[in-house]
Amino acid sequence: GAVVSQHPSRVICKSGTSVKIECRSLDFQATTMFWYRQFPKQSLMLMATSNEGSKATYEQGVEKDKFLINHASLTLSTLTVTSAHPEDSSFYICSAKRTGPYEQYFGPGTRLTVT
Amino acid sequence: EDKVVQSPLSLVVHEGDTVTLNCSYEVTNFRSLLWYKQEKKAPTFLFMLTSSGIEKKSGRLSSILDKKELFSILNITATQTGDSAVYLCAVGGAQKLVFGQGTRLTINP
Repeated sequence: GAVVSQHPSRVICKSGTSVKIECRSLDFQATTMFWYRQFPKQSLMLMATSNEGSKATYEQGVEKDKFLINHASLTLSTLTVTSAHPEDSSFYICSAKRTGPYEQYFGPGTRLTVT
Repeated sequence: EDKVVQSPLSLVVHEGDTVTLNCSYEVTNFRSLLWYKQEKKAPTFLFMLTSSGIEKKSGRLSSILDKKELFSILNITATQTGDSAVYLCAVGGAQKLVFGQGTRLTINP
């Protein structure tokens, strides 16, 4: 149990376009989902916390108008990178938390390359 | 500001060696400490620790938490090349996890 999927696994887009990344918890309901970004050889940096049916809470320095998060159901959250630029190229990872023990289960990640 | 510091940042050993990875933290509203293993993709869950002094074990891996001194260690015995990965320590506060920088472990045959 506790499988989280992400789609797409890899995406290349042109500068100025928008990209949507989906995160799904496949076999459990996730009260909270998290979005992280990881640059090469660095640790995971939390971007935002997403609770079903409410607005996401963004970390300091993360532009909410650029990184749009929607958590429409207990099994799906989406991250849309709007007007992407090359500096947005990174590995984006979502995680989902079940109720109860504080464990986060990670999706496989999405590698975004903006050309 | 919440902080998690791992050491060493990088470690290279020979197959069969035993390694100890360290994680110290300063976090308000501590709830739990988690260890993850990250290979090429996203992290995979290893352990969650909430109580001091109780060792958690899974095969050759074990971990323990000291809430008084604010640190945890992850031990790997009889290392194998498949143990090569980045090991991440994360501490859960009231709502979110704060990650350390990770320890890059390389096991040479």
